[in-house]
Amino acid sequence: DTGVSQDPRHKITKRGQNVTFRCDPISEHNRLYWYRQTLGQGPEFLTYFQNEAQLEKSRLLSDRFSAERPKGSFSTLEIQHTEQGDSAMYLCASSLGQGKSPLHFGNGTRLTVT
Amino acid sequence: GNSVTQMEGPVTLSEEAFLTINCTYTATGYPSLFWYVQYPGEGLQLLLKATKADDKGSNKGFEATYRKETTSFHLEKGSVQVSDSAVYFCALWAGGTSYGKLTFGQGTILTVHP
Repeated sequence: DTGVSQDPRHKITKRGQNVTFRCDPISEHNRLYWYRQTLGQGPEFLTYFQNEAQLEKSRLLSDRFSAERPKGSFSTLEIQHTEQGDSAMYLCASSLGQGKSPLHFGNGTRLTVT
Repeated sequence: GNSVTQMEGPVTLSEEAFLTINCTYTATGYPSLFWYVQYPGEGLQLLLKATKADDKGSNKGFEATYRKETTSFHLEKGSVQVSDSAVYFCALWAGGTSYGKLTFGQGTILTVHP
């Protein structure tokens, strides 16, 4: 069990640029989740996948955000035309998806939009 | 909607002191309740959980009891250690198809001094 891996750990970008983050879940986990955490707040659910299917998206996920999990393994989260309000920690988590399996979180990608 | 409210932090204690971090929730139905911990530089880890009223979750000396009558899930530890310094998040799952879609509180920073 190598844990959930996220890349990069930190990303600094200028307003208006596009960014993409990657998440590699624990290999046998078929559910994958994206959360966003702003400073001083708890994580907020963005979206989740069961295998390659994106089953739910939060209203927080505006049209500028898109997430994919093309082969049911790793996932990417892209933000287009970044805004300063997008600055946050983006967390990925995975689970077995069987019954009430617990979430395993990665260390997150911290995005700073200048 | 669903929500979780944690006591304001930060909380600063001396080693071996008693710890209580308050957590109350609002949810329809019968949510499952969790405490997650985030150590410096690491991802969130599940600390303990309770899935029905009067259940007590426990792990690493921490305990929390699911109180439906007061809609609370307070975290306690009888004797804290310096290594318990971390951010603690209370969270709930309100049902539905994804057990991983959680609602988190804002987090409570705990610092334990020798």
